Amino acid sequence: EDQVTQSPEALRLQEGESSSLNCSYTVSGLRGLFWYRQDPGKGPEFLFTLYSAGEEKEKERLKATLTKKESFLHITAPKPEDSATYLCAAISSGTYKYIFGTGTRLKVLA
Amino acid sequence: NAGVTQTPKFQVLKTGQSMTLQCAQDMNHEYMSWYRQDPGMGLRLIHYSVGAGITDQGEVPNGYNVSRSTTEDFPLRLLSAAPSQTSVYFCASSFHRLAGEETQYFGPGTRLLVL
Repeated sequence: EDQVTQSPEALRLQEGESSSLNCSYTVSGLRGLFWYRQDPGKGPEFLFTLYSAGEEKEKERLKATLTKKESFLHITAPKPEDSATYLCAAISSGTYKYIFGTGTRLKVLA
Repeated sequence: NAGVTQTPKFQVLKTGQSMTLQCAQDMNHEYMSWYRQDPGMGLRLIHYSVGAGITDQGEVPNGYNVSRSTTEDFPLRLLSAAPSQTSVYFCASSFHRLAGEETQYFGPGTRLLVL
């Protein structure tokens, strides 16, 4: 069964304290790995799509990487405005169903 | 572009009542989907559609119906509401099977409370 697991569930960082969020996946024939940011009371907002192991994408303080078993979202020198829930999702070849993890709640303290 | 829009934003129902959650997109996306989001459960797929006239079940389809008569609209119907359907519902859309373009875009959500 396809599965996506995110860790940690919650993370508190001081402003400027870099860290990484993990997304482990067991998906037969990964077709895409997606990262989203979700603010309270809002819908998920797209951040990155990764398609193959070794791929990396960056946007401001965020960098997403992909291996054959997991993806990492690296946050460099975070700011309080980076506080949100970060969601990971995967889709396997031969299906039309996106599988989401339960998310990591990030709080960045000033 | 308005993107993905959902109505209503908030709804209270009594057990046994029916209602339709509306979803529309103006990006000419073939793929549309409905999710529910509950605390600690993440986003779970209810139903999805890969084009007008084509729908299929997701992970948690029981108690919900969908139809897709146009590319733009994908309504979700609750046939007989139950307290277990209290949740936040998100609609999403994307291009389908187009390399590099499968990212889903989400609507703002509908918060449903069933008493």
